[in-house]
Amino acid sequence: GAVVSQHPSRVICKSGTSVKIECRSLDFQATTMFWYRQFPKKSLMLMATSNEGSKATYEQGVEKDKFLINHASLTLSTLTVTSAHPEDSSFYICSAGGASSYNEQFFGPGTRLTVL
Amino acid sequence: QKEVEQDPGPLSVPEGAIVSLNCTYSNSAFQYFMWYRQYSRKGPELLMYTYSSGNKEDGRFTAQVDKSSKYISLFIRDSQPSDSATYLCAMSEGPNDYKLSFGAGTTVTVRA
Repeated sequence: GAVVSQHPSRVICKSGTSVKIECRSLDFQATTMFWYRQFPKKSLMLMATSNEGSKATYEQGVEKDKFLINHASLTLSTLTVTSAHPEDSSFYICSAGGASSYNEQFFGPGTRLTVL
Repeated sequence: QKEVEQDPGPLSVPEGAIVSLNCTYSNSAFQYFMWYRQYSRKGPELLMYTYSSGNKEDGRFTAQVDKSSKYISLFIRDSQPSDSATYLCAMSEGPNDYKLSFGAGTTVTVRA
């Protein structure tokens, strides 16, 4: 099956620093990639949708200047949390579409961000 | 009212029991229905994918969709401790519509 990786799996940073999370589709070209945020015991909250070579589409309430998304190639998307604060601590998950003929998304293993 | 409603549980069953999970939704345009399994601190993995109304079976898993009632179900037969996870329903409107609407997820524990 299609494999999506995320790096790092876990990151701890100081308040005010920026953190970059990478999402890669390892064995297929991802037409579209998605970034989700998940709070403990809560469902996935879609943050933004990105297509290769174009600007990301952010969901309502998500600050585009704080959560920078770059989708430079069909196999790589990055999420940069700028000037991170403790309230940004969360589990961030990416997913990628385009591996199959229907609208199936393949999820990465997630990145646990802790901002001190 | 949320677009997709799912009872978060938790649900605890003995090994070998049938696990029954369900979601209701309000958007009649949803045509594609999915169930994902998520282990703790991992990303979701696709379990079942169905289009429109009907049943689909895959091993111990059966997915049902009733579009007239806007209700979908997932049944797990002969449940195992390894089935302990959070199960999320998800749905979308079109075949090229990658944007999924998720339920809150139901946490299931299968006791050995």
